Amino acid sequence: GIQVEQSPPDLILQEGANSTLRCNFSDSVNNLQWFHQNPWGQLINLFYIPSGTKQNGRLSATTVATERYSLLYISSSQTTDSGVYFCAVSIDYQLIWGAGTKLIIKP
Amino acid sequence: DGGITQSPKYLFRKEGQNVTLSCEQNLNHDAMYWYRQDPGQGLRLIYYSQIVNDFQKGDIAEGYSVSREKKESFPLTVTSAQKNPTAFYLCASLQAAGQPQHFGDGTRLSIL
Repeated sequence: GIQVEQSPPDLILQEGANSTLRCNFSDSVNNLQWFHQNPWGQLINLFYIPSGTKQNGRLSATTVATERYSLLYISSSQTTDSGVYFCAVSIDYQLIWGAGTKLIIKP
Repeated sequence: DGGITQSPKYLFRKEGQNVTLSCEQNLNHDAMYWYRQDPGQGLRLIYYSQIVNDFQKGDIAEGYSVSREKKESFPLTVTSAQKNPTAFYLCASLQAAGQPQHFGDGTRLSIL
């Protein structure tokens, strides 16, 4: 089946720093989502991005479907950005999940 | 506002007891899902349903059961056969294949 790999697994940054999270997938997919899971467990939809680039405030995402990867950029990090970032690819009705990147932003 | 409501937020189970987690959505989505998340881990699919009165097993269905009698409701029962039920359970819904999944806020289940 399709494999989804995220890197790095852990990332510790100072407040104000920029970061790039990567998601590689092994086959063609219908779509790709980025989620942020906050310390309370809530999963927040960040981007739904099958291809191209989208931006939402300090966050942006780029998916290059032909090369089977997606990048999530976080600029000017804040402590509230801490948590786990998941990417998930959709095949028909199912999502295949990466293992996540745990991000810690220090004040 | 449209969304997914999971209840309760916290649930405690005694040994040998069945418990049911509620998931209701008012998004008019056809498909609904149950995931399990263990501490420090990703999400694993338990069951999903594409239409009313039909559902399919996911990767870890043993010890769980579901029903889909109404479009807006997809309850999950954690049976006594599930020997390690302590986890965070998330419900999701989907309008159509390839569309984004939307998630509830989750239920934390613990063993007394």
